[in-house]
Amino acid sequence: QKEVEQNSGPLSVPEGAIASLNCTYSDRGSQSFFWYRQYSGKSPELIMFIYSNGDKEDGRFTAQLNKASQYVSLLIRDSQPSDSATYLCAVMDFNKFYFGSGTKLNVKP
Amino acid sequence: SAVISQKPSRDICQRGTSLTIQCQVDSQVTMMFWYRQQPGQSLTLIATANQGSEATYESGFVIDKFPISRPNLTFSTLTVSNMSPEDSSIYLCSAQGWASGDSSYEQYFGPGTRLTVT
Repeated sequence: QKEVEQNSGPLSVPEGAIASLNCTYSDRGSQSFFWYRQYSGKSPELIMFIYSNGDKEDGRFTAQLNKASQYVSLLIRDSQPSDSATYLCAVMDFNKFYFGSGTKLNVKP
Repeated sequence: SAVISQKPSRDICQRGTSLTIQCQVDSQVTMMFWYRQQPGQSLTLIATANQGSEATYESGFVIDKFPISRPNLTFSTLTVSNMSPEDSSIYLCSAQGWASGDSSYEQYFGPGTRLTVT
């Protein structure tokens, strides 16, 4: 399976701060990248995707992609305690999704 | 987005038995997948459920252990056969389709089936 690497964390940030989550992938030919959020005991839910180099913004979330460095990140602005969850990076290759191990985010009130 | 249901939501099974998990999607989707997620771990792709033909299995997973059916575009089953405690995990069904509004494939997950093998 494709390699998708994430720091397991936990990443702790204070409420209102910017949380930065990072992901690297092994296959230079990968084209599409996804961020999922998973609350404890729940299934993953799609936050956003990106497939072009640069930034993509959706509300408080910004995905950043750098294909040359094989690096994708997710920024969460104005972090809230409700953002506390595990964030999974996924890479799509030939219609299959390959997931990283996830980064656990704790937003402290 | 697709709404996906799974049943059972959880089960406790004895070693050596088999369990079939059902997955229903509320709309026709191009692809369906089965994943396994062990506690504190990420998702591992078991197989792609192909409509009307044999599933495509990932390395480390075989049809005899995880037979899969997909009789139509909205329904699939995964059977965990001859279970052992090592099969204790959460099994997740997912559906993938083309989201024209976003011009991208998107994949959504069912709520999962928590399996405990004793």
